[in-house]
Amino acid sequence: EAGVAQSPRYKIIEKRQSVAFWCNPISGHATLYWYQQILGQGPKLLIQFQNNGVVDDSQLPKDRFSAERLKGVDSTLKIQPAKLEDSAVYLCASSFRVLNTEAFFGQGTRLTVV
Amino acid sequence: TQLLEQSPQFLSIQEGENLTVYCNSSSVFSSLQWYRQEPGEGPVLLVTVVTGGEVKKLKRLTFQFGDARKDSSLHITAAQPGDTGLYLCAGSGPGAGSYQLTFGKGTKLSVIP
Repeated sequence: EAGVAQSPRYKIIEKRQSVAFWCNPISGHATLYWYQQILGQGPKLLIQFQNNGVVDDSQLPKDRFSAERLKGVDSTLKIQPAKLEDSAVYLCASSFRVLNTEAFFGQGTRLTVV
Repeated sequence: TQLLEQSPQFLSIQEGENLTVYCNSSSVFSSLQWYRQEPGEGPVLLVTVVTGGEVKKLKRLTFQFGDARKDSSLHITAAQPGDTGLYLCAGSGPGAGSYQLTFGKGTKLSVIP
């Protein structure tokens, strides 16, 4: 089966610019996650969707980050405006259900803000 | 605040040695998972443990879930260079906040040939 697809793989932008990342989860997976992974650290959950509804977005900096999952399939994460500290790898993952289940990750998008 | 503390943060060993890495929390989890991540890739699941005291083996890797479901360990026997990577534990359930899948900071393992 096809894995989690993410694009782009790499992005370099200047601070205060906007950027968007796209994720297509594994077919049939109801749960979709966006994680931020800063170099040398573990992934930090930004937002979790169950179908097209938000389950948890408590760690999403809502003044600059937004995410949507229209129709409960693919998802977009946007940053506007970007700051230097947003430089990180943004990982998308999906799972069949919410608890006690394997999360399948995409390769991530490496964002560099200069 | 990190709910899952992993130790050690870095580990460099010679090929053939044994090692153990730990994942600790003050919270109870419904399940704990171990992932391995290689540079430029997303994490890949190694194992899920759900029952307190559970032990699972995957070739040379042995995973244990603590009796109280607050901690876990990963033991590697006779480490190989191919074991090099970032080992992440992740918890879900009550300790993480209902449905979150929360990760620790990871243990970066280097196995020297």
